[in-house]
Amino acid sequence: DIQMTQSPASLSASLEEIVTITCQASQDIGNWLAWYQQKPGESPQLLISGATSLADGVPSRFSGSRSGTQFSLKISRLQVEDPGIYYCLQGYSAPLFTFGSGTKLEIK
Amino acid sequence: QVQLKESGPGLVQPSQTLSLTCTVAGFSLTSYNVHWVRQPPGKGLEWMGVIWNTGGTRYNSALKSRLSITKDTSKSQVFLKMNSLQTEDTATYYCARDNDNYWHFDFWGPGTMVTVSS
Repeated sequence: DIQMTQSPASLSASLEEIVTITCQASQDIGNWLAWYQQKPGESPQLLISGATSLADGVPSRFSGSRSGTQFSLKISRLQVEDPGIYYCLQGYSAPLFTFGSGTKLEIK
Repeated sequence: QVQLKESGPGLVQPSQTLSLTCTVAGFSLTSYNVHWVRQPPGKGLEWMGVIWNTGGTRYNSALKSRLSITKDTSKSQVFLKMNSLQTEDTATYYCARDNDNYWHFDFWGPGTMVTVSS
């Protein structure tokens, strides 16, 4: 089974700061990686698919990148509406999907 | 407009069977696959299973013996049944549509909370 190791588990940052969250895949998954944001009481919302493609309606301050089996989600300038829990999802072994463990992002 | 919405009992007794319905709109179940994902309170997301647009199914191996996913295409509904519920099955249950462009879930329902308790 493909494992996704997500870090950090939690993160506190100031407004306008750059934030980076990473997911490490246990094997090569190509670009089969998506990122989601989940706010309290809501379902996950798609941010990025295909490792780097921004979903419709997602602000351009969000971006995704890949270096080998390591994937990153970057928020270029943290805004007040960005706190939540962020998850990565690998779809390489679909339908045997696996999620990262999540990163809780707060405003400092 | 693509929409999914889960519905179910809210409370289930231990050892009983959970039955959930996912009602979709804005797309056809003959063209898209629908998955079930669950999330225990304060914890992460777990993929449970899928019903393909063709009607076939695939399940998480950890749940396979207890889980069944079916659909009624004419009613745009997908059904989840899971038996022998235990307290650790307490979770919010989501249905989600997949997108086969780099396989991910592009639309989710709002979720339905299920508590397993006597």
